[in-house]
Amino acid sequence: EDKVVQSPLSLVVHEGDTVTLNCSYEVTNFRSLLWYKQEKKAPTFLFMLTSSGIEKKSGRLSSILDKKELFSILNITATQTGDSAVYLCASGGYNKLIFGAGTRLAVHP
Amino acid sequence: GAVVSQHPSRVICKSGTSVKIECRSLDFQATTMFWYRQFPKKSLMLMATSNEGSKATYEQGVEKDKFLINHASLTLSTLTVTSAHPEDSSFYICSARLGGANGYTFGSGTRLTVV
Repeated sequence: EDKVVQSPLSLVVHEGDTVTLNCSYEVTNFRSLLWYKQEKKAPTFLFMLTSSGIEKKSGRLSSILDKKELFSILNITATQTGDSAVYLCASGGYNKLIFGAGTRLAVHP
Repeated sequence: GAVVSQHPSRVICKSGTSVKIECRSLDFQATTMFWYRQFPKKSLMLMATSNEGSKATYEQGVEKDKFLINHASLTLSTLTVTSAHPEDSSFYICSARLGGANGYTFGSGTRLTVV
C-alpha cells in the first residue's frame, strides 16, 4: 500500500530558529515528491522534487530528495511567525498524489 | 499562474439534501481533476480522480453513489454529495495537475456542514 509518513507531527519553535521537516515515502511508480504549505484553506505549492541530491531553494526554504532512501527534507531557516502552518508532503505516482499527515509548525515570537 | 476556482467556499445543508461543488480551471484545460477530503487537523485524503469525458476513478472505501463526480468539459469538474449526512461534514478540495515542474494546483476548498 502506498504511504507517505511525515515527522514530527508538530513542532514549536521561536523566531529565528531553523527547522527540518521530514518525509518518507513508499509509492508505486514514484514520479515526484511535493511540499505544500497549508494555512487556513487550500495548500499552496512550495516545491516539486524529481531528482535525487539536487537542492531546491526559495528564500529561506529549501528541500532535497533522496530517492535511494525514499526520503525528503524541508528546511526553513530564520523562521518567522508567518511560517506557522501545516506543511504537507505528497508523493506523486502515476497521476495521483498521496499526502502525508502533515507537520504542524508553530513559530512563536 | 494556473488557477482553479472552487465554489461554494462554504455551505450548510440539511440532512438528506444534496450539495454540488464546482471546480473550474480558469486559464488552462484540466483533463484530470482530483477530489480530496480533509477532516479537521488531518491530511488530505484522495477520494476520486475525474477524467474529462469518462467515468471517475474512486479510491477504495469511497461510495460512488454518494459522491457523484462529473467532468463534462475540460474546464469544469463537479462533486455532488448526495443525501448528505452529518458525517459528510468536511473540507473538500479539488486539484488539477500542471505540466512541468509546477506540481498540482488546488482550489480554495469547500467547507461543508450538514445539520
